[in-house]
Amino acid sequence: AQTVTQSQPEMSVQEAETVTLSCTYDTSENNYYLFWYKQPPSRQMILVIRQEAYKQQNATENRFSVNFQKAAKSFSLKISDSQLGDTAMYFCAFMNTLSYNTDKLIFGTGTRLQVFP
Amino acid sequence: DTAVSQTPKYLVTQMGNDKSIKCEQNLGHDTMYWYKQDSKKFLKIMFSYNNKELIINETVPNRFSPKSPDKAHLNLHINSLELGDSAVYFCASSQGIGNTEAFFGQGTRLTVV
Repeated sequence: AQTVTQSQPEMSVQEAETVTLSCTYDTSENNYYLFWYKQPPSRQMILVIRQEAYKQQNATENRFSVNFQKAAKSFSLKISDSQLGDTAMYFCAFMNTLSYNTDKLIFGTGTRLQVFP
Repeated sequence: DTAVSQTPKYLVTQMGNDKSIKCEQNLGHDTMYWYKQDSKKFLKIMFSYNNKELIINETVPNRFSPKSPDKAHLNLHINSLELGDSAVYFCASSQGIGNTEAFFGQGTRLTVV
């Protein structure tokens, strides 16, 4: 069974600084997707960034980028130029989409990020 | 227009009651899901439906019964509510295999007293 581990329950960063959130996962599959979701205090789940396992190039979305290390099964999120609005819970998630039976998100336990002014 | 909408946003009820949460998506997606977020913020899949057909039932007590009248709607009915059912329930939808982005509703916070 696939598992996702986020070893940092809480992180803090000063505004405009850079922070990296860690995520490791375990799977025997070769093709899958990895995600970072953000959950601000409003409770809404917002997709931050997505990475296809077959792509070697790391995904980037504006100030958000990932470091995807497939052999190490590591998928960290880097937030550059942190903003107060980045304060939220961040969830790493895995999805194996070989069939409808595996078409589900498997989440890590989350990292609470606080951005200070 | 909200892409995935759930009602109600908050639900407070007594133990033993039966309650329903409704979910609708206007994205034309074929697949819909229910996820549960517990008090420690852990998110776990409960069910998935594809074109009104149940695909995933992740060892959820049979007091929980999803129903999909059409592919735009997925409702969750819970019988004989227990204290441990208190959680936030999220509905989500996606186009399914090959198009993996899941869009989430705003969640329903269920409190059983």
